Amino acid sequence: QVQLQESGPGLVKPSQTLSLTCTVSGGSLTSGSYYWSWIRQPAGKGLEWIGRIYHSGTTNYNPSLKSRVTISVDTSKNQFSLKLSSVTAADTAVYYCAREGYSPGYGVAYWGQGTLVTVSS
Amino acid sequence: SYELTQPPSVSVSPGQTASITCSGDKLGDKYACWYQQKPGQSPALVIYQDGKRPSGIPERFSGSNSGNTATLTISGTQAMDEADYYCQAWDSSTYVFGTGTKVTVL
Repeated sequence: QVQLQESGPGLVKPSQTLSLTCTVSGGSLTSGSYYWSWIRQPAGKGLEWIGRIYHSGTTNYNPSLKSRVTISVDTSKNQFSLKLSSVTAADTAVYYCAREGYSPGYGVAYWGQGTLVTVSS
Repeated sequence: SYELTQPPSVSVSPGQTASITCSGDKLGDKYACWYQQKPGQSPALVIYQDGKRPSGIPERFSGSNSGNTATLTISGTQAMDEADYYCQAWDSSTYVFGTGTKVTVL
């Protein structure tokens, strides 16, 4: 059973870069045909897809965040990471890492528990 | 950008059927997925490829997608089904989530 665990600072100052890492256990992120994703949810609000990466390094990003987002993968550590630059209070949210099926219709079957990131000075 | 619209809330009596709609331009030409999220928990996939159920999801959950509307139906709704539900679709190399619907079991 695949498990995902987010890690990183829970507090980031405005204008700085938010950095999170997702560690995958119970399977290799290079096995099978899956995309590895980041999704966020501000308190009391809906879900927002941030972007995803394939183990080859191929990425897709939400156009609304694309200029500030970088998702990378480290296959040797079985991890993938999110960097979001120039953060503001609007980026305060629970951030989830997740595994998507390779084809869009398969959705997101595995989710991490989520980590709260607060943007505040 | 592509948008998916859901009703903010749906109320249902125990044992009755709840229907949650998700509207988007030509949504029927895309695959729709549905997620259930209970307070303090991560979302859980309940329907994929319009109407398929992942392993472990009860048969009372079903889905359909045609025209501009995808629908999640919960038959014989139970108190444990009270949660937020989100639809999702893929458009222009981006996943889009619906606005979310709070299902209350009265």
